[in-house]
Parts: sequence; C-alpha cells; structure tokens
Amino acid sequence: GENVEQHPSTLSVQEGDSAVIKCTYSDSASNYFPWYKQELGKRPQLIIDIRSNVGEKKDQRIAVTLNKTAKHFSLHITETQPEDSAVYFCAASMGTYKYIFGTGTRLKVLA
Amino acid sequence: NAGVTQTPKFRILKIGQSMTLQCTQDMNHNYMYWYRQDPGMGLKLIYYSVGAGITDKGEVPNGYNVSRSTTEDFPLRLELAAPSQTSVYFCASSYSGEGSLYFGPGTRLTVL
Repeated sequence: GENVEQHPSTLSVQEGDSAVIKCTYSDSASNYFPWYKQELGKRPQLIIDIRSNVGEKKDQRIAVTLNKTAKHFSLHITETQPEDSAVYFCAASMGTYKYIFGTGTRLKVLA
Repeated sequence: NAGVTQTPKFRILKIGQSMTLQCTQDMNHNYMYWYRQDPGMGLKLIYYSVGAGITDKGEVPNGYNVSRSTTEDFPLRLELAAPSQTSVYFCASSYSGEGSLYFGPGTRLTVL
C-alpha cells in the first residue's frame, strides 16, 4: 500500500553540526511534501514544504531537497541549536486531499 | 483567530463506552482531518472531509465515525471504546487540499 518511510528514527548531533533526515515515498503521483516539527507535548507545526516541480527549497537554516526519480526527499538543518531538538515528521500527498506521514525522527541537539 | 480547537484535552474511558471528540476551526477551511498518534509513532489518518456534508475514510477508520454538518465543525465519534484506541487524537484543517495542515492541540484518550 501507500507509505512513507523515514530514517533515522533517532538522531543525536552536537550543537552547531548539521542534521539530515531522509524520507522515501511509494506513490509516484505524490506532488506535495511537507515537513512538520513536534515539540514534546505540543502539536505538529509546518516548518518547510516542497512541491514536485522544485528540486530544492531553503528557509534560513533549514532546507529540503526532492528527487522525484528516486522518490526521495530530505530535510537538512544546518548550525543546529538546542531549540531544534524535537520530533520531525515528513509527509507526502497521496491522491487528492490526503497526506501520509512518516514515523518520525527524534532529533537531539547536544550542547 | 483561535485556529483549530479541540475538546476535551484529556479523557479516560472504560471499555465499551462511547464518546465524541470535538473539533472546531475558525479559518473557513474546507479541508479537515482527524489523525491519531500512538506513542513514539507517526500520525495515522482516520477520516477526512473536503467540505460540509462530505467525508471519507483514511488509513485507520475502523471503530470511528465522523460527520461534517458545517464548515467549522468536524466531530469524531468513538463507539464501543477499546484499549487499542488509546492514543492522542489530532484534528487538523487546511485551506487547500495540498497545503499546510493546521493542527489542534490534541486530545489524549486512555481506554481502560
């Protein structure tokens, strides 16, 4: 069935280092790929998204890349800070109006 | 704007009981969604709606029902609660079918 695989499940980095989270999707018709950040006990919030007609998008310290041929997309966080510690979810649009989420990556930024 | 609001925030149910989780948004979004999040897991789509009077099943609809009589409200009904329904439930809305999801604060449900 339709699914989104996300790796790694946990990631620890030193403050100031970069973090990369990768997702793979199954539906070749998917054309919208958002990333959400969820702090402990809080609701998920959109941090960046990319559409299928774009290969890369940046917003300050975060960037997302998309490889439609390989059905991969990745989140890149540079110069990580303690406040980046959270769970990050990727998602892919599936058909019309639906999103399938990855299982999440718990990022820990060590001071 | 209050955004997306959910009630209650917490609830403990006994096996076999029923309840309705309320969700309201004041952003005039046509698209609304119910997700469940099990501990350490991702978000699974239960039901969604593309407008008043229109609903459809997501990935895990069994044991749940929804209705959408107005643009603002999208309640989720649990009939005959089971321990497997212990989870955090998030309601979300979106302006378009492919755009940012705005999530409510969640309802933490425990079925004992």
